[in-house]
Amino acid sequence: RKEVEQDPGPFNVPEGATVAFNCTYSNSASQSFFWYRQDCRKEPKLLMSVYSSGNEDGRFTAQLNRASQYISLLIRDSKLSDSATYLCVVNPADSSYKLIFGSGTRLLVRP
Amino acid sequence: SAVISQKPSRDICQRGTSLTIQCQVDSQVTMMFWYRQQPGQSLTLIATANQGSEATYESGFVIDKFPISRPNLTFSTLTVSNMSPEDSSIYLCSVEGGATNEKLFFGSGTQLSVL
Repeated sequence: RKEVEQDPGPFNVPEGATVAFNCTYSNSASQSFFWYRQDCRKEPKLLMSVYSSGNEDGRFTAQLNRASQYISLLIRDSKLSDSATYLCVVNPADSSYKLIFGSGTRLLVRP
Repeated sequence: SAVISQKPSRDICQRGTSLTIQCQVDSQVTMMFWYRQQPGQSLTLIATANQGSEATYESGFVIDKFPISRPNLTFSTLTVSNMSPEDSSIYLCSVEGGATNEKLFFGSGTQLSVL
């Protein structure tokens, strides 16, 4: 079983749609969780951290479910510029730097 | 967040040659990390580079193939040695950031193609 698993997609949605991605992780002791965004042929960039209480940043909402060991990202009112690959990232409890990256979920927002 | 300059941004190399990738950070950092992202795959940590000591390599990566230098707190290099087509990947350097250094910030990456 992979340490971090994501549906690779692609998710193909129209502008304005709401789309949600899920991610599961295997290490129940994991402490920190993130969503990164990676545009084609570019480096990953931090989109948002995921807190136990959930967090929202504009059109983006991240949730953490420790009991089920999954993380979600919700994007409301999708824009064309949201088209990218979204990487679920987990920090195992025993390391401050060795982040584990999911293979990403690709989102295509069409006009 | 730190500003990370990585070069070259891309290169096409012949089998058997070596390529050195440079990473410059605009602030002093304790650790720098080198990742590989193979086509269609996620990021895999190659090694961690600390100034003044040898790099720490992850399982499946060895110093002879990926020698790393870390001469000071703002600079590191990764060399991909004796390249083969299987080494074609994006190579990324990164540094920690955030309030408790729990986040990673990446250089723009080096897209390597080996013929």
